[in-house]
Amino acid sequence: DSGVTQTPKHLITATGQRVTLRCSPRSGDLSVYWYQQSLDQGLQFLIQYYNGEERAKGNILERFSAQQFPDLHSELNLSSLELGDSALYFCASSAGGTAGTDTQYFGPGTRLTVL
Amino acid sequence: SQQGEEDPQALSIQEGENATMNCSYKTSINNLQWYRQNSGRGLVHLILIRSNEREKHSGRLRVTLDTSKKSSSLLITASRAADTASYFCATDTTSGSARQLTFGSGTQLTVLP
Repeated sequence: DSGVTQTPKHLITATGQRVTLRCSPRSGDLSVYWYQQSLDQGLQFLIQYYNGEERAKGNILERFSAQQFPDLHSELNLSSLELGDSALYFCASSAGGTAGTDTQYFGPGTRLTVL
Repeated sequence: SQQGEEDPQALSIQEGENATMNCSYKTSINNLQWYRQNSGRGLVHLILIRSNEREKHSGRLRVTLDTSKKSSSLLITASRAADTASYFCATDTTSGSARQLTFGSGTQLTVLP
C-alpha cells in the first residue's frame, strides 16, 4: 500500500459526459501528479500540483482540468468525454523536494470506461 | 512522447534465472527510476538512481546507469513467479519543484514456475 488513495476504482460513463476523479496523497506529501495509461499511448504525464499550485504540465487535453485543494487532495476533471479517453488514470504523490531524489508513489488508479 | 524505451518488450524465464531489462533515453536526466506494475494495478516504485551514480542495489535488484550512452539496466537475480509483472523505467528531467516523470513502454516479464 503506497498510502495514496484514489476514488472511484471504476467508472463507466457515456460519451459527452463529465467525470471527476479524486486523489488523496500520502500524509505529508505536497506534490500530486496525474498520469494516464492507455494501450496505445502508454503512461503519459498529465499535470503536477505542488502545495496547491500548478507546477508542471504534460500532455493534458484542454477538456481536462485539475486542481489541488488546501488539504492537498486533488481532483482531475474530464469533460466532453470521448471513447479514446478510456484509460487507467493514476495519481501519484511525492514530498516535493527539489533534490534529485524525489520519489513518486502511485495510487491504485481509476479505470475509466467511456461507452 | 516516450523518452525511455525498454528492451525487450517481453521476457519469459524460468524461476531462479536472472532477468535483465534495458532502458534507453534521449535527454539529460536528474535521475532514473524503475517501477513495477502488476496487471492493471498501480505502479510500485522499485529503485531510483541519480545521474551521478553508476550502480545501485536493492535486495535482488541491481540497476546500472550509463549517462554517456543514455541507458540503464535492471537486473533481477534469482527470479520468482511473484516477479511476473511489467517493468517500466522513468526519467526525471525537470528541476526545482516542477517534476515530471517520462515513462518508457515497459517490459513484460513472465517468470515460469
